[in-house]
Amino acid sequence: DGGITQSPKYLFRKEGQNVTLSCEQNLNHDAMYWYRQDPGQGLRLIYYSQIVNDFQKGDIAEGYSVSREKKESFPLTVTSAQKNPTAFYLCASQPGQGGQPQHFGDGTRLSIL
Amino acid sequence: AQSVTQLDSHVSVSEGTPVLLRCNYSSSYSPSLFWYVQHPNKGLQLLLKYTSAATLVKGINGFEAEFKKSETSFHLTKPSAHMSDAAEYFCVVSGGGAARQLTFGSGTQLTVLP
Repeated sequence: DGGITQSPKYLFRKEGQNVTLSCEQNLNHDAMYWYRQDPGQGLRLIYYSQIVNDFQKGDIAEGYSVSREKKESFPLTVTSAQKNPTAFYLCASQPGQGGQPQHFGDGTRLSIL
Repeated sequence: AQSVTQLDSHVSVSEGTPVLLRCNYSSSYSPSLFWYVQHPNKGLQLLLKYTSAATLVKGINGFEAEFKKSETSFHLTKPSAHMSDAAEYFCVVSGGGAARQLTFGSGTQLTVLP
């Protein structure tokens, strides 16, 4: 079945450590997105990519980095510069046509040790 | 610019009674509107979408929503709540433009009482 796979489901970070969250899709979608979800705040956009080898900052990009070397993959690195990384991270993809909904993975929950 | 306001952060209904989750939006473009549902520790699942066709949109699991341009509303309804409907619901607007970005409401937590 086509879909989006996020891994790992749970991740723990030590102080000063960078961690990378994986997102893979086999829907052949052009665009991919990373969101952060905190309780009571809905979803906030971290980064997005509309095409391979190109990506744009979202509303809360500081302390995060991404790459888009392949159409199906959009990993997110949470760097040590992100001082409050504890959150639920969601990856999404979207077809190239405008007005279409985004499809979501099942998320990664990141916590600080 | 676009925005979404979900008017209730929590809604509680009894099983078998109607559900109403309220959403107002603003958009500079002719918007696409969506409702998503999220169960605990899961991603968001699309319930239904409005993309300028029929104003009454039917979705999965018996949900439907009506687009009212004059009221800038897109309320989600279901005639009879089921225990499995307990979850968080997000109203989302896509205002067009090159980025095709979505703007999310802050969510409504639906509790279904036995």
